Amino acid sequence: DGGITQSPKYLFRKEGQNVTLSCEQNLNHDAMYWYRQDPGQGLRLIYYSQIVNDFQKGDIAEGYSVSREKKESFPLTVTSAQKNPTAFYLCASSPRWDTHGYTFGSGTRLTVV
Amino acid sequence: QKEVEQDPGPLSVPEGAIVSLNCTYSNSAFQYFMWYRQYSRKGPELLMYTYSSGNKEDGRFTAQVDKSSKYISLFIRDSQPSDSATYLCAMSDYKLSFGAGTTVTVRA
Repeated sequence: DGGITQSPKYLFRKEGQNVTLSCEQNLNHDAMYWYRQDPGQGLRLIYYSQIVNDFQKGDIAEGYSVSREKKESFPLTVTSAQKNPTAFYLCASSPRWDTHGYTFGSGTRLTVV
Repeated sequence: QKEVEQDPGPLSVPEGAIVSLNCTYSNSAFQYFMWYRQYSRKGPELLMYTYSSGNKEDGRFTAQVDKSSKYISLFIRDSQPSDSATYLCAMSDYKLSFGAGTTVTVRA
């Protein structure tokens, strides 16, 4: 089955630690996205990648970093510079940057302990 | 002011009722309009996709877009307990902007 796999489902981070969230897709999609979801705020775009080896900052990129070395993979690192990282993180993909029906993964719940 | 405004609810209806959801927006450049459904602790899934003004029907779901009023709606007929979820509107000019989501509970 084609889809997007996010791992882990739950992640706990200590203060000052960097953590990396995994996102893998087997849909052969060019574009991939990372969103953060907080209660009452909807989805906010962190980073996006239109094509492999290319990515751009979204609306709330501070404290986050990404890479896109393979078409299938778009990992997100939450650095210690992100002051309020506790949230639900969603990875999505679309066939091309200009197609709007995204496929989402099941998300990673990150909690700072 | 947010680009996309959506009443978070919650909305509770009896089984079989019509569920009415809506969003307003401020960016007149939006041309593509979507509704996503999100079950608890899951990722959103695309429910309806419309381009420009008008109505689109898919089974029990009807999406309406009124660009002159900057207003979109989703109607769910004959609602079922399995429709209980959070519904997110989304719209796009060159990138997607999401509403905050409305949580719906359909009571059996």
